Amino acid sequence: DQQVKQNSPSLSVQEGRISILNCDYTNSMFDYFLWYKKYPAEGPTFLISISSIKDKNEDGRFTVFLNKSAKHLSLHIVPSQPGDSAVYFCAASKRNTPLVFGKGTRLSVIA
Amino acid sequence: GAGVSQSPSNKVTEKGKDVELRCDPISGHTALYWYRQSLGQGLEFLIYFQGNSAPDKSGLPSDRFSAERTGGSVSTLTIQRTQQEDSAVYLCASVRGAENTEAFFGQGTRLTVV
Repeated sequence: DQQVKQNSPSLSVQEGRISILNCDYTNSMFDYFLWYKKYPAEGPTFLISISSIKDKNEDGRFTVFLNKSAKHLSLHIVPSQPGDSAVYFCAASKRNTPLVFGKGTRLSVIA
Repeated sequence: GAGVSQSPSNKVTEKGKDVELRCDPISGHTALYWYRQSLGQGLEFLIYFQGNSAPDKSGLPSDRFSAERTGGSVSTLTIQRTQQEDSAVYLCASVRGAENTEAFFGQGTRLTVV
């Protein structure tokens, strides 16, 4: 049973436009959420996170929104750049338990 | 080094052989994870070490898989009697503490069982 779901396996966006990646979770005990980016042949790298006490966290071009009632979070990238093309993983956790990852969404930013 | 280091970066082994994969976490980080990513799949949790607590082994797919973490630092993931379905990229990550904030991943070990 998947606790963290990324229902879109891929997404294509034009350079300069907004990319919106979505993630749903089922476990209401999760209290911390993270987004990771992964390039081929590299390990995932941390992008941005949000605590369950917040509903928005922004870092430059990246913003994560959390809707606890809907158990949904999203990552907005604006403006999208070709270098943003990668696989994006959503992850969720609670203290002292393993991070649970979604299956990832492959983002392609087209110049 | 400054980051998480994994070795080897690539490993090809014959079915039935044992393999050992190594992870050197970031110095001072108390938590360490092993994940694997099979072709076209997400990150599958394997095992989690947190400080001196007993490891969470709930993700290990079979008793052929084991891991240890010596001295709270270096970790070794051992797969005995490898099978073709074990082929995947094995990823190690370390975390500063119990709060599960940013986890730093190594570059992974690509294991191919032929």
